[in-house]
Amino acid sequence: AQSVSQHNHHVILSEAASLELGCNYSYGGTVNLFWYVQYPGQHLQLLLKYFSGDPLVKGIKGFEAEFIKSKFSFNLRKPSVQWSDTAEYFCAVNVRGGSYIPTFGRGTSLIVHP
Amino acid sequence: EADIYQTPRYLVIGTGKKITLECSQTMGHDKMYWYQQDPGMELHLIHYSYGVNSTEKGDLSSESTVSRIRTEHFPLTLESARPSHTSQYLCASSDRQSPDNEQFFGPGTRLTVL
Repeated sequence: AQSVSQHNHHVILSEAASLELGCNYSYGGTVNLFWYVQYPGQHLQLLLKYFSGDPLVKGIKGFEAEFIKSKFSFNLRKPSVQWSDTAEYFCAVNVRGGSYIPTFGRGTSLIVHP
Repeated sequence: EADIYQTPRYLVIGTGKKITLECSQTMGHDKMYWYQQDPGMELHLIHYSYGVNSTEKGDLSSESTVSRIRTEHFPLTLESARPSHTSQYLCASSDRQSPDNEQFFGPGTRLTVL
């Protein structure tokens, strides 16, 4: 069974700092990759996803992620964070040709100080 | 507006009570899911459904049951609540036609069993 590792469980940054959150998965086949975000008191919502094509994916609010197949990674980046980016970030992976039910990482809690 | 609704948002009950957590979606999705979310942990799949009269258990052992009598409705029932059931429960749905099975989440029900 596939697994998803998010190495940073808690990240604290000041506004304007750059962000990179790590995500690695264990499955060697063809996968779909997702980053979801949960702002305080809100629904879990999609930030960005990779299905095919350009491995550099751009999402909402200036976020991007790069799929590096050889490293089984899908790291999330933002060049300059804002206070409003304070949230929980979850990486998820599902397997094409299977049930397509995703496996989620443990999440990263990001706090951005103004 | 298409959305996913969960009620109640918060519930505090005593041990041994029977409870039903409601989930409805107006997205027109065939697939629906229930997850358990604890702080700092992965989302754990407890039940899912691919359509009316279809229900399956997920990866996480659970004493809950679900039903899918209508496409838009996927309630979760605990026959006898225990303190170990204290958690956040998230309902999600996805479109059968989606090539990557992107999921859409409700706001969650935070359950506390005393």
